[in-house]
Amino acid sequence: EAGVVQSPRYKIIEKKQPVAFWCNPISGHNTLYWYLQNLGQGPELLIRYENEEAVDDSQLPKDRFSAERLKGVDSTLKIQPAELGDSAVYLCASSWRGGDTEAFFGQGTRLTVV
Amino acid sequence: DQQVKQNSPSLSVQEGRISILNCDYTNSMFDYFLWYKKYPAEGPTFLISISSIKDKNEDGRFTVFLNKSAKHLSLHIVPSQPGDSAVYFCAASGRGGSQGNLIFGKGTKLSVKP
Repeated sequence: EAGVVQSPRYKIIEKKQPVAFWCNPISGHNTLYWYLQNLGQGPELLIRYENEEAVDDSQLPKDRFSAERLKGVDSTLKIQPAELGDSAVYLCASSWRGGDTEAFFGQGTRLTVV
Repeated sequence: DQQVKQNSPSLSVQEGRISILNCDYTNSMFDYFLWYKKYPAEGPTFLISISSIKDKNEDGRFTVFLNKSAKHLSLHIVPSQPGDSAVYFCAASGRGGSQGNLIFGKGTKLSVKP
């Protein structure tokens, strides 16, 4: 069974430019999470989807971040415009359902904003 | 306010000995707890979980203990091996709405010395 696939693995952009990350969850997983991880910190939740519905986006900085999960499968996270402080690892995870099942993570996208 | 706390940033253990990693939580709505292991440049990998209806769950060398009254859980690794050296994250979730979010601690870096 294929795991969670994220692309790209690495991205370097100049500040004020847009950037997008893509995630393909494990087949059959209804719940999809996007996390941000800074160096030396734990993953911090940005948004959680149940199928195509964003059930919690309270931690997503909506002035510059947006996300979508069309058809309840793949998801895209976008930043526009990027700031220096957005440099971090962006992780996608999926689970069969939220709350009482384990989530499986992709390898993450390391974003560097210069 | 941090809902999941790992107060020890690092732990060093001799090969063959027991490693004990600790985690505290504040949200009484959490009822499912997980441990993840993370190597550099990789996404977190699910290790073991426990439901709040249990106080212990064992999987090979890994055992998780849950003390609900103290809002505390611990991960025991016996015997510890050099390949266990990684960052370990404690995570927790509940049911329904934002309680279904998977919330992480900041992690404990375990070093197992030969």
